[in-house]
Amino acid sequence: QSVLTQPPSVSGAPGQRVTISCTGSSSNIGAGYDVHWYQQLPGTAPKLLIYGNSNRPSGVPDRFSGSKSGTSASLAISGLQAEDEADYYCQSYDSSFVLFGGGTKLTVL
Amino acid sequence: QVQLQESGPGLVKPSETLSLTCTVSGGSINNYYWSWIRQPPGKGLEWIGYIYSSGSTNYNPSLKSRVTISVDTSKNQFSLKLSSVTAADTAVYYCTRGYGGHGYWGQGTLVTVSS
Repeated sequence: QSVLTQPPSVSGAPGQRVTISCTGSSSNIGAGYDVHWYQQLPGTAPKLLIYGNSNRPSGVPDRFSGSKSGTSASLAISGLQAEDEADYYCQSYDSSFVLFGGGTKLTVL
Repeated sequence: QVQLQESGPGLVKPSETLSLTCTVSGGSINNYYWSWIRQPPGKGLEWIGYIYSSGSTNYNPSLKSRVTISVDTSKNQFSLKLSSVTAADTAVYYCTRGYGGHGYWGQGTLVTVSS
């Protein structure tokens, strides 16, 4: 049971917009700690998708966006593409410890 | 371009110590945090711990009693030791740069705990 809660799965049709939530508490996300997001394609290492709540590393399409409010954060993917089908993880902190969400499997219908 | 490569045995016996090394190339290990993260088959990511290039460490409380992370700046490497392993420690082990917002990852190495 992860401290950061994500929905196990989400789905959407090509071209649609989906969001993935990451719910924490007052000791982690709500305490002001940054949230980062990772995309993991099957059989590969995770890839940093969003850092510092809403920033995209170079090379990440602007279809991906992140936000944070209170004790939760969200990852939004617009203009869904087949290649977006993957597992997505949020990551934050509790004091000096690193926390991961349980992961969300995105299915592109 | 910074690259990380994990190395070590792919099979460890129960109760023994798992030992992995991460070699960093394309950049210096100095002045950065370096982490180990693992992923059991079919499951999510679990943070194991991190080390700063100076040697200061921080570990996941659930693993702290069994984990040691060390750094060798002369070899541009850092290492993981996990003692008294059980089948529950079977996972893909990743080394990464940073302790959040991990932008650089190794490809991962599967370690199976079995007799």
